[in-house]
Amino acid sequence: DGGITQSPKYLFRKEGQNVTLSCEQNLNHDAMYWYRQDPGQGLRLIYYSQIVNDFQKGDIAEGYSVSREKKESFPLTVTSAQKNPTAFYLCASSITASGGYEQYFGPGTRLTVT
Amino acid sequence: GIQVEQSPPDLILQEGANSTLRCNFSDSVNNLQWFHQNPWGQLINLFYIPSGTKQNGRLSATTVATERYSLLYISSSQTTDSGVYFCAVKGWETSGSRLTFGEGTQLTVNP
Repeated sequence: DGGITQSPKYLFRKEGQNVTLSCEQNLNHDAMYWYRQDPGQGLRLIYYSQIVNDFQKGDIAEGYSVSREKKESFPLTVTSAQKNPTAFYLCASSITASGGYEQYFGPGTRLTVT
Repeated sequence: GIQVEQSPPDLILQEGANSTLRCNFSDSVNNLQWFHQNPWGQLINLFYIPSGTKQNGRLSATTVATERYSLLYISSSQTTDSGVYFCAVKGWETSGSRLTFGEGTQLTVNP
């Protein structure tokens, strides 16, 4: 089955610790994205990658880092510099990053930092 | 950047009723998607519709790109239709394929 997987579904961390969220896709898509959702709000773009070994900051990149070493994988690290990391994180992918192509989403990871 | 406004913010219906959700956007778009977010948070693709009209069962959508709005119609609503409906767009001037999301419409369908 083709799709996007995110793990874990729930993640709990202590303040001051870095944490890495996994995102894997087997759709053979070039572009991948990370979004953050806070309660009662829409999604906001953190980072996106148009191709392997390339990525760009989105609207709220501060306190986050990413890597894109493989086409299938786009992990997101939430660093201790992120002031309010508790949120729902969603990964997405699309065939390419140019023009209008449909984005598909993974099931998300709920991160709680105390 | 491009702005997206959805209305109404909340909608409560009785099962079997019809509804119309609206999405206004501030600039020309080459990508517009409607999503349904279920209670577990999963975003389900409903329509990819930068222009024109599409139908899928009880759901249909129309985008009038020249007037910068899109409508999502839900007919004969069911309790399973409850959740948040998001409109997301990509402007022609936006780099890459990044989507800008509206704040969503929270739909509650009562039995």
